[in-house]
Amino acid sequence: GENVEQHPSTLSVQEGDSAVIKCTYSDSASNYFPWYKQELGKGPQLIIDIRSNVGEKKDQRIAVTLNKTAKHFSLHITETQPEDSAVYFCAASKMSTLTFGKGTMLLVSP
Amino acid sequence: GAVVSQHPSWVICKSGTSVKIECRSLDFQATTMFWYRQFPKQSLMLMATSNEGSKATYEQGVEKDKFLINHASLTLSTLTVTSAHPEDSSFYICSARDRVGGSNQPQHFGDGTRLSIL
Repeated sequence: GENVEQHPSTLSVQEGDSAVIKCTYSDSASNYFPWYKQELGKGPQLIIDIRSNVGEKKDQRIAVTLNKTAKHFSLHITETQPEDSAVYFCAASKMSTLTFGKGTMLLVSP
Repeated sequence: GAVVSQHPSWVICKSGTSVKIECRSLDFQATTMFWYRQFPKQSLMLMATSNEGSKATYEQGVEKDKFLINHASLTLSTLTVTSAHPEDSSFYICSARDRVGGSNQPQHFGDGTRLSIL
């Protein structure tokens, strides 16, 4: 089955800096890659997603890149703010079910 | 849009009790809903896929008689933890996928149910 590796497990940045989280996947048939933000005690919230026919997607301060050949995708957050602090999960899917990475705890210090 | 409501948000009960958790899609219809379990500081583990009008599909190692799933309408799925014991204590999260658009539409998550069994 699919295996998703996510790095780093924790990431501390200063407010205004950029943050990058990277994921790799094992199944070349996977074609949908969402990113979720989970705040403490809440469910995951979809923040951006990308499909395999696209190499990059951007939504304001958030961008995702996908390299199908290397089977890796990354989340980029620019101009980080304290409210960006949360756990971020990447996931991969080929038909229906999502396989999640282990998560990255992002801490943005004022 | 795409709001998923999960109820209750927190349950504390005695060992041996059965507990029902509801998952509702509020502004869309969901042919498929998913139930996950999350331990502290860990990722989400898929327990089962709930299909409207048919039996749920359980992941390997998940006891179907222990975790009963019913998806009787396009906006409601329920998970019942039967005869719950302390080891069933966890954070249970549901998600729903809009029936419009195919199998790779985004999953939208509820805010989870924290289950504590004494």
